[in-house]
Formats: sequence, structure tokens, C-alpha cells
Amino acid sequence: NAGVMQNPRHLVRRRGQEARLRCSPMKGHSHVYWYRQLPEEGLKFMVYLQKENIIDESGMPKERFSAEFPKEGPSILRIQQVVRGDSAAYFCASSPPWDEQYFGPGTRLTVT
Amino acid sequence: GQQVMQIPQYQHVQEGEDFTTYCNSSTTLSNIQWYKQRPGGHPVFLIQLVKSGEVKKQKRLTFQFGEAKKNSSLHITATQTTDVGTYFCAGPGSSNTGKLIFGQGTTLQVKP
Repeated sequence: NAGVMQNPRHLVRRRGQEARLRCSPMKGHSHVYWYRQLPEEGLKFMVYLQKENIIDESGMPKERFSAEFPKEGPSILRIQQVVRGDSAAYFCASSPPWDEQYFGPGTRLTVT
Repeated sequence: GQQVMQIPQYQHVQEGEDFTTYCNSSTTLSNIQWYKQRPGGHPVFLIQLVKSGEVKKQKRLTFQFGEAKKNSSLHITATQTTDVGTYFCAGPGSSNTGKLIFGQGTTLQVKP
């Protein structure tokens, strides 16, 4: 049973470009969470999705960030017009309903 | 807003010494979860505590959930170099959507 998969593992973007981060949850998991981790800091919740629905986006910046979890395919976190402050590790986690979360390996985004 | 605080932020111990990290929530929690993140890795679920005053053990690790369900601790007996990493506590967000609010983590360094 494959774990949570994220790609790419490392992503370098210039300021102003778009970043697309992908997450495939564990088989059988219908809940996907995105977290951001700045260097030397804890994980900050961004968004919680189920298939085709955004359940909680209270941690998402109001501009430039969006997330989706389509009926088919991975969940995608999209950052438009990236800035240096977006440089961070972005982790996706999946879970069955109301259970512990299983984290993917993360995408390390560097904005130059 | 809801906050989860952890102390200390860093701890350096000699191999064989004990280690404790403390977690405090600004709100009462329905449960608390603990995760470990190795350097360069992703958070890995360790345990979940649900009941007031609950104590659980995993080999050299002892987890406690406070009577008021607002604080928790993780104690490691006789640390080993394999214990190196950052330990996070996390509680459900007050919106009850399944998202987790993470503490800032305690980073443990063990000198051999």
C-alpha cells in the first residue's frame, strides 16, 4: 500500500512564476490536508479538501493560493506569482475520516 | 485564535539522559496527537491520546494527556541517537473540520 505521494520533491521558481504542487493520497483515503512549514518552524494548516470539495480553507492566504482535489487525479496546490516568502516545505497529508494523518514527503519550494 | 504551544524549542542531551517536551493548548482538546519529524523528513504519526489523564507508553516513550485535556507531555527515557528529530504535538482545530493545529515543535539533539 503506497503511502502519500507528492511531486515534485524539489521545485525552484523565479519570482512571478507559478508553482503547482501535487499530492496523491493513500489508497482509500478521501481527506487531504495541505500544510506549510517554514524553516525552523512548525506546520501551519492551509486547506482541507475532500473529493471535489473544499471543506476548510481558513489557513489559505487570500490571494495567489488555490487548491483543488478533483474527482480523478491528485490534489493540487497552486501558487500564482510566487514571491520569496513562499519558499517553504509544503506537506500534504491524507486520512480516513477523523483519524491520524499520514504525511507525504513534502515539496521543498525555493523562490529565487 | 486557537494556539498550541510547545516548550522547550530545542533540547540537547547526552545519550542516555532523559528528555521531556511539554505541550499546552489555549482550548480544551478532544484529542492530542504526537508526530516526529527527522531532519529533512516528513512528520510521522506516533500516537493519539483521547481520554482525560490518559498515559500511553511506546517502549522508552511515555505520553500523557492532562486532566483538563489542555496539556500533554512526551517523555523519553535514556535517549538514543535514533531519537534525534523534532517532536510535534497537534490538536484538532476548533472548527472541528479535521484539521490539526500544530505546536512549534521541540527539536532534540542527542550527543553520543
